[in-house]
Amino acid sequence: IAGITQAPTSQILAAGRRMTLRCTQDMRHNAMYWYRQDLGLGLRLIHYSNTAGTTGKGEVPDGYSVSRANTDDFPLTLASAVPSQTSVYFCASRTGENTEAFFGQGTRLTVV
Amino acid sequence: GQNIDQPTEMTATEGAIVQINCTYQTSGFNGLFWYQQHAGEAPTFLSYNVLDGLEEKGRFSSFLSRSKGYSYLLLKELQMKDSASYLCAVMDSNYQLIWGAGTKLIIKP
Repeated sequence: IAGITQAPTSQILAAGRRMTLRCTQDMRHNAMYWYRQDLGLGLRLIHYSNTAGTTGKGEVPDGYSVSRANTDDFPLTLASAVPSQTSVYFCASRTGENTEAFFGQGTRLTVV
Repeated sequence: GQNIDQPTEMTATEGAIVQINCTYQTSGFNGLFWYQQHAGEAPTFLSYNVLDGLEEKGRFSSFLSRSKGYSYLLLKELQMKDSASYLCAVMDSNYQLIWGAGTKLIIKP
């Protein structure tokens, strides 16, 4: 692994199903983020983690949960998917507050 | 509320110069980032400004005026591969990134 990896790259999911999007980084970055990107809108922050063991809510957290058991992994779970959660999801990480964020390749999720 | 404004779409000619503007109103300011995003791909970092003035990096330059809440990204000697969306993001008082919707740049031969 070099950088930040997301899985799966795409998924079609039935409404009501539970789904976990995976994110792993090997850069030892403290901070990690989950964004969703929808056409015509900027990246919107779902949840974040400033360091292992801590998480926080972003702009659009409803329907999503995260955990940060260790530095490398930051999974995002949709407990019961709804069509409005159809989006492209990006995981990102950065070393500190004044540094650039590095992004994973994204997960394209379609909820039907 | 917090707001980042960028033009939705711009068109330019190969070999020319284009300036993409970004205006912002945020709760605090700890720096401004520009990212490039090709269709279907992840955003990649271009530049970071925290002090007023111009930062130059090869064909790309970024300018910041904190008093005006304004930044621009200047792309010179445009190439077809520069066709992409350009995202402006401001780091607020909590060091969280607030993102603009992005400017889609179309380069014509």
